[in-house]
This record gives sequence, C-alpha cells and structure tokens, in this order.
Amino acid sequence: DAGVTQSPTHLIKTRGQQVTLRCSPKSGHDTVSWYQQALGQGPQFIFQYYEEEERQRGNFPDRFSGHQFPNYSSELNVNALLLGDSALYLCASSSRDRGGIYGYTFGSGTRLTVV
Amino acid sequence: KNQVEQSPQSLIILEGKNCTLQCNYTVSPFSNLRWYKQDTGRGPVSLTIMTFSENTKSNGRYTATLDADTKQSSLHITASQLSDSASYICVVSGTSGTYKYIFGTGTRLKVLA
Repeated sequence: DAGVTQSPTHLIKTRGQQVTLRCSPKSGHDTVSWYQQALGQGPQFIFQYYEEEERQRGNFPDRFSGHQFPNYSSELNVNALLLGDSALYLCASSSRDRGGIYGYTFGSGTRLTVV
Repeated sequence: KNQVEQSPQSLIILEGKNCTLQCNYTVSPFSNLRWYKQDTGRGPVSLTIMTFSENTKSNGRYTATLDADTKQSSLHITASQLSDSASYICVVSGTSGTYKYIFGTGTRLKVLA
C-alpha cells in the first residue's frame, strides 16, 4: 500500500519564477493538506483540498495556489518566487470520513531552494 | 490564540539513557494530540495519537502522556538509540473534524554513542 508520494524531491528555482509541486495521497485518502516548513521550524499550514476545492487556508499570500484532481492527487503552485519561499513543502493526506483523526499521513516532502 | 509550545528546543543525551519531551498547548476546544518524529529533510511520521479521554499511549520505547486539564503532554523515550536522533513535533487539533492542525516547533534530539 503506497503511502503519500511527493515529487520532485528537490528543486532549485530562481527568484521570480513559478513552481509546481505534486502530491499523490495514500490509497483510500481523499483529503490533501499542504504545509511549508522552514529550516528549524515546525510545519505551517498552507491549505487543504477536498472534493477538488480549497476548504481551509492558512496565512499565505495568493501567490500560493493549489488544485486537486478527481483522483485526489494535488498540486501546489507558487508564483513569483521569493528567497523566503525556500523550505521543505510537505503534503499530508487523510480520509474525510474518518474525521481526520486517524490516518493523517505525511509525504517525505519537496525541498525547494530559491536562489 | 491557539498555540503549541514545546520544550526543550534541543536535547543531547547518551545512548541508552531515557528522556522526556514536553508539550504545552492552549488550543481549545481540544480534539486530539499527536506526537510525530521527523528525520532531517523527511516528512513527519506519527508516533502516537491521543484523544481527550486518553491519558497514556505507548508505541514501543515511546510513551506519551496527556493531561487535558492542565493542557500538557509529554513524550518519554526509554533506552534511547542512535536512530532516535530526530525532531519530535507535538501537533494539536482543536476541534473534532477540523483538518487544520497546530504544530509545535519541535524538540531536536541528538543521541550520542
């Protein structure tokens, strides 16, 4: 049973560019949440997708956007990259029917470096 | 404001020793609390999940406790191993069914041979 898969694992971009990160949830999960984790910090909630819609959003600018596909996979897009966007981006999947308590599983993350 | 605070920020212990990590939260109403282990550059891996009615939960050498009255939790690691070196993150969910979890900044544990 595959867990949460994120791609790519590492990425280097230049300031001002745009980036797309991808996440495939664990089998049986239908909800995807995205987090940004700066070095030495805890993960910060970006947003959550369920039924192909953004359901909740953290304190992130509109440069951060996302999408969820019918197969529950998700993309995180960041436009006009800033140096401060350099971080580990984590995707977590869960099952809405289980109330979110169980099976909240993280992927290994995508390390984004903006130069 | 909903917050999760962890202490200490970092900890160094010798292999075979025990240690206890602390987590205090102000999240209300409380739904559940999780402890995660995160290796450097990797995603967090769940160690324990506790709801309001649970006081203690173990996972091998890891034992988590929860005092919902004082809003405190601890993670006790017994007979530490080199592979225990990681960040340990406390995560609190404020309302049953809510999918926005509040993360602590973690405790970085280093186990030395």
